[in-house]
Amino acid sequence: AQSVTQPDIHITVSEGASLELRCNYSYGATPYLFWYVQSPGQGLQLLLKYFSGDTLVQGIKGFEAEFKRSQSSFNLRKPSVHWSDAAEYFCAVGAGDMRFGAGTRLTVKP
Amino acid sequence: GAVVSQHPSRVICKSGTSVKIECRSLDFQATTMFWYRQFPKKSLMLMATSNEGSKATYEQGVEKDKFLINHASLTLSTLTVTSAHPEDSSFYICSAILGRLDYNSPLHFGNGTRLTVT
Repeated sequence: AQSVTQPDIHITVSEGASLELRCNYSYGATPYLFWYVQSPGQGLQLLLKYFSGDTLVQGIKGFEAEFKRSQSSFNLRKPSVHWSDAAEYFCAVGAGDMRFGAGTRLTVKP
Repeated sequence: GAVVSQHPSRVICKSGTSVKIECRSLDFQATTMFWYRQFPKKSLMLMATSNEGSKATYEQGVEKDKFLINHASLTLSTLTVTSAHPEDSSFYICSAILGRLDYNSPLHFGNGTRLTVT
């Protein structure tokens, strides 16, 4: 069965610092992977997705993610975090009936 | 771009009453819609897959008589929480597939409905 693990429940970084959010997946075939961001009380916004091809995926808001099949990982990165990036981040695997990780809450220190 | 509208955004109801949440695809036809539930500080849990013109497919552990799903048209799916109880208080989010259900189909999410049962 497909599943996603986000090992970090909460991460705090300083504004301007780099960011990496971890995501590990379990999937029976070639995975279809997503990163979503959710602000408090809001719905989900798609940051980026991976279906196939280049394993380094560029998304919106300066985010990128790298698919590593050997590590079953799809970590999200950003070179320089902005205060407005503070939110909850979810990794997901699958298609319409996608499965979400538990989420990582990002706090940005001034 | 494609938009999914969810209504209401917030609802407060008394225990024992029923609440209907609507999920509409505004500028595309959605053969398949999905309903998720999000507990406070938790991830999204898939509740059911809603297919236009047929019965919804519920995930294990989700009470189908409690959470009634109707997908009567290609642009509207509704989730009715029947005889609501405080433990049903949650954030409910719908999503819709643009086009056929395959891995290249974008998935669009509504903005969610905050249900509070008093």
